[in-house]
Amino acid sequence: KAGVTQTPRYLIKTRGQQVTLSCSPISGHRSVSWYQQTPGQGLQFLFEYFSETQRNKGNFPGRFSGRQFSNSRSEMNVSTLELGDSALYLCASSLIGALAGGFGELFFGEGSRLTVL
Amino acid sequence: SQQGEEDPQALSIQEGENATMNCSYKTSINNLQWYRQNSGRGLVHLILIRSNEREKHSGRLRVTLDTSKKSSSLLITASRAADTASYFCATASTGNQFYFGTGTSLTVIP
Repeated sequence: KAGVTQTPRYLIKTRGQQVTLSCSPISGHRSVSWYQQTPGQGLQFLFEYFSETQRNKGNFPGRFSGRQFSNSRSEMNVSTLELGDSALYLCASSLIGALAGGFGELFFGEGSRLTVL
Repeated sequence: SQQGEEDPQALSIQEGENATMNCSYKTSINNLQWYRQNSGRGLVHLILIRSNEREKHSGRLRVTLDTSKKSSSLLITASRAADTASYFCATASTGNQFYFGTGTSLTVIP
């Protein structure tokens, strides 16, 4: 069974540009969530999609957006990049996500490391 | 914030020793999960303990949960160099969001 695939793995952008990251979940998983990881901050929740609907959103500015397609693949977009957006962006897929008390196990991709210059 | 806090932030031990790391959280939970992250990689699920369980074992891992103190501990016995990684606890209550702690960085010296 293929794991969670994130592309691209590494990318470098400059301030003001925008970036789109892609995540292909495990087959059959309908929940895809995104996290931003920076040194000292741990994993910060961005948003979760379930069957193409955004089910929850973290405390990030509107420059961060996402969507999920009918095949459960998900993309996140960051517009008007800032230096502070440099981070490892992790995607996690799950059968049910945090629904029903969070008994769903999260399966993470290897992440997309974004560097903003 | 419901985010958990792991303690210690960093831990360095010799191969063969036991490693213990702790997680504290702020609100009531339904379960608590532990994940491992090798440097710069994705997280891997280790173990889940339900709120009505006090202790759970999986191979060399032992997890305890004390809901009255809102804390959990992860014990790795007979550590190996391959256990070198960061360890995170994750909680979820009735909301639709997992909250991750800040992580414990474990270094096992061969």
